[in-house]
Amino acid sequence: FILTQPHSVSESPGKTVTISCTRSSGSIANNYVQWYQQRPGSAPTVVIYEDDQRPSGVPDRFSGSVDSSSNSASLTISGLKTEDEADYYCQSFDNRNHEVVFGGGTKLTV
Amino acid sequence: EVRLVESGGVVVQPGGSLRLSCAASGFNFDDYTMHWVRQAPGKGLEWVSLIKWDGGSLNYADSVKGRFTISRDNSKNSLSLQMNSLRIEDTALYYCAKSGDYYDRSGSHYFDYWGQGTQVTVSS
Repeated sequence: FILTQPHSVSESPGKTVTISCTRSSGSIANNYVQWYQQRPGSAPTVVIYEDDQRPSGVPDRFSGSVDSSSNSASLTISGLKTEDEADYYCQSFDNRNHEVVFGGGTKLTV
Repeated sequence: EVRLVESGGVVVQPGGSLRLSCAASGFNFDDYTMHWVRQAPGKGLEWVSLIKWDGGSLNYADSVKGRFTISRDNSKNSLSLQMNSLRIEDTALYYCAKSGDYYDRSGSHYFDYWGQGTQVTVSS
């Protein structure tokens, strides 16, 4: 399956933005979805794992959810800060092929 | 402190071979699945391969199947990627990444730690 993300999103500081990740086939609920933040020149870091879990150290401004009706996952960032400007990738696992699947990434501009 | 340090990336000609290594520390290496993920210049993340904690299960992306071989040495806390028949499209920053799922119990297959990457350039 493929995970499809918007190429880019833009929002003002202090606002809320939501980035979607749509699964092309099979239920989004079949496998956990993770979200990674990648700033320029740096390795990715996980901001949400197992659909909606936030690692320690990640601000609670970051939240994740899954919607079976749209077969998609979402990353929501509230109270946007300029430091949130980065590329964001969703990721899941293909049980049939035993492969990790990444979305194409979304460039967030704040 | 968890540390993943990749090495071995160089410039190589098409058709050539290369071996990448990843030195791990700060965690019980043999409790976790390990992965290689790559990122071509200006592009997104692409998963390459995984190896389970005991080396008993290996998986590869279709783009590298039959050309790359992943391995691990739990006695040395090290992960490797043997890359053969390299192509120009294999040019990328290669990351070593640790699974955050202890013994894959939740099946989430997420990455909680990444190295800083090692650059592989395939060019004539």
